[in-house]
Amino acid sequence: DVKVTQSSRYLVKRTGEKVFLECVQDMDHENMFWYRQDPGLGLRLIYFSYDVKMKEKGDIPEGYSVSREKKERFSLILESASTNQTSMYLCASSLNRGTSSIPAAYEQYFGPGTRLTVT
Amino acid sequence: AQRVTQPEKLLSVFKGAPVELKCNYSYSGSPELFWYVQYSRQRLQLLLRHISRESIKGFTADLNKGETSFHLKKPFAQEEDSAMYYCALSLTGNQFYFGTGTSLTVIP
Repeated sequence: DVKVTQSSRYLVKRTGEKVFLECVQDMDHENMFWYRQDPGLGLRLIYFSYDVKMKEKGDIPEGYSVSREKKERFSLILESASTNQTSMYLCASSLNRGTSSIPAAYEQYFGPGTRLTVT
Repeated sequence: AQRVTQPEKLLSVFKGAPVELKCNYSYSGSPELFWYVQYSRQRLQLLLRHISRESIKGFTADLNKGETSFHLKKPFAQEEDSAMYYCALSLTGNQFYFGTGTSLTVIP
């Protein structure tokens, strides 16, 4: 059973603070993703990584950075938190296309989410 | 550009009534389409994928390339179907594109 865990379920930070959100997966997946989930806007991709030390910008990378030093861990960093970054943050992982010959293997597995409030 | 469109933010149906959640996509090639579901206080999880042509919890979805649609259907809605539903598109890369979601409420 795939397990994607996130370091906190709820987090409250002040404007200007540096915030770290951690995500760990135990299925040896190559790909990892960070989304934010907002009512009416759905899931928007912030960053993703397809290998250790590799990262790609998603649709809304501004104000965020990421770090992937180990395959199982993908961190999202808010360098200077702002109130408009109050949101639910979801981490996900998946196999990389080409890893398996089974097309159905490429679903994304999600963590429970971190609800971040910036005051 | 919006690749996945879910026109209904909210949808309410009575228990036992048919339900259809709409999803349209923008892509001229051969897409892979998914429906994800998030029940209250639970994580987002895969409901079904078009490539498997499966029925999960009574839900089915057929890919219509002519209409570029992948609507989710169930003939008789149950209260436990109340949840947020997301349609997602995967192209040749490893990214997924999610719609804005439809919140389904099944009224007892």
